Amino acid sequence: QPVLTQSSSASASLGSSVKLTCTLSSGHSNYIIAWHQQQPGKAPRYLMKVESSGNYNKGSGVPDRFSGSSSGADRYLTISKLQSEDEADYYCETWDSKTRVFGGGTKVTVL
Amino acid sequence: EVQLLESGGGLVQPGGSLRLSCAASGFTFSSYVMSWVRQAPGRGLEWVSSITESGGTTYYADSVKGRFTMSRDNSRNTLDLQMISLRAEDTSVYYCATVLYNSGLGYWGQGALVAVSS
Repeated sequence: QPVLTQSSSASASLGSSVKLTCTLSSGHSNYIIAWHQQQPGKAPRYLMKVESSGNYNKGSGVPDRFSGSSSGADRYLTISKLQSEDEADYYCETWDSKTRVFGGGTKVTVL
Repeated sequence: EVQLLESGGGLVQPGGSLRLSCAASGFTFSSYVMSWVRQAPGRGLEWVSSITESGGTTYYADSVKGRFTMSRDNSRNTLDLQMISLRAEDTSVYYCATVLYNSGLGYWGQGALVAVSS
């Protein structure tokens, strides 16, 4: 089954941009992944799916500041014009026919 | 509006049992694969189990296989997770979630806390 690797933390200044990376394990570079946001003390929230082509589809109500992209085995989440409410944990997720897998999560700090 | 409301969490002793439920509304429940995901205190997300639309097939993480049973009642729009032989490491917030076709877990409940301790 696939394994997802994420950096544990990232930080950027208010109003700037941050790009998070989720790396798929060898042999799984064509997998679709999903990004989820979890604000402190809240349930996760679906942000988008990102395909190997770089196409992405956002969930309803997700601000335009959030976008996705892809390169090889890497899937990206870019947050532009960072706001204080973007300070959260971000998880990537993928799946095969029988299981679902999450990355370890990236904690984003807004400076 | 999609709503998922978990219930049944609480404190249980090691070796004990607990049944979680998830009440779904705002969408055609019987058309969606559903999943349970858990999160231990201060830790990341861990997939627990999934069930097909009809309930005919279930899948489990190795960590809970043989101890947890997932089921659904499409006539009542409810999802259950029966947990037996609970261990301290099962202590987590348990979330139910919808599976969007080829798109990930699209909607999440607010979670139910299960604490396993003597």
